[in-house]
Amino acid sequence: GQSLEQPSEVTAVEGAIVQINCTYQTSGFYGLSWYQQHDGGAPTFLSYNALDGLEETGRFSSFLSRSDSYGYLLLQELQMKDSASYFCALRTGSARQLTFGSGTQLTVLP
Amino acid sequence: EPEVTQTPSHQVTQMGQEVILRCVPISNHLYFYWYRQILGQKVEFLVSFYNNEISEKSEIFDDQFSVERPDGSNFTLKIRSTKLEDSAMYFCASSGAGAGFEGYTFGSGTRLTVV
Repeated sequence: GQSLEQPSEVTAVEGAIVQINCTYQTSGFYGLSWYQQHDGGAPTFLSYNALDGLEETGRFSSFLSRSDSYGYLLLQELQMKDSASYFCALRTGSARQLTFGSGTQLTVLP
Repeated sequence: EPEVTQTPSHQVTQMGQEVILRCVPISNHLYFYWYRQILGQKVEFLVSFYNNEISEKSEIFDDQFSVERPDGSNFTLKIRSTKLEDSAMYFCASSGAGAGFEGYTFGSGTRLTVV
């Protein structure tokens, strides 16, 4: 099976940079995704790393190191609206299913 | 922007009753999924559906669960005899079948409460 670990909570101030780490254990996977979820609403796709390295999408960047079984999501220029839960998820299986981590609650303070 | 639509948004049912949760995936997507999230917990995979059949399912997806694509647009999850522990938010999602993986689009969910 697969398991993913993330910090349960992270707090940062508006305008700052925050990094949310994700370590995982798996026998094989296609890539690592990140999703944002506000107040139990629909998870929203943020980023996907199929290969090692950094992927940048606006204020969000995601990184993957397969050799270290580690990835992170980097959020820059934090805004109040970034307060949400962030989940890392391994894409496993040919049917593209995802195994989610337990999520990190990010609180952005003014 | 294309959306995944789920109905109803809330469903309360008595234990032992059957429920059907409905989803309309994005029209040009080929993979369809059901996930659930018990309050305060992580999102859990239930089942994936491709080419009119189940492609993968989790241990949660036992004989009480079934999925169907009855027509060209709807995708349903049926729970035959609900249990208290089935209370959760159920999310439908869809994704394309291109060579790249652009991520899922999730619906807004159906909150199922079993009493």
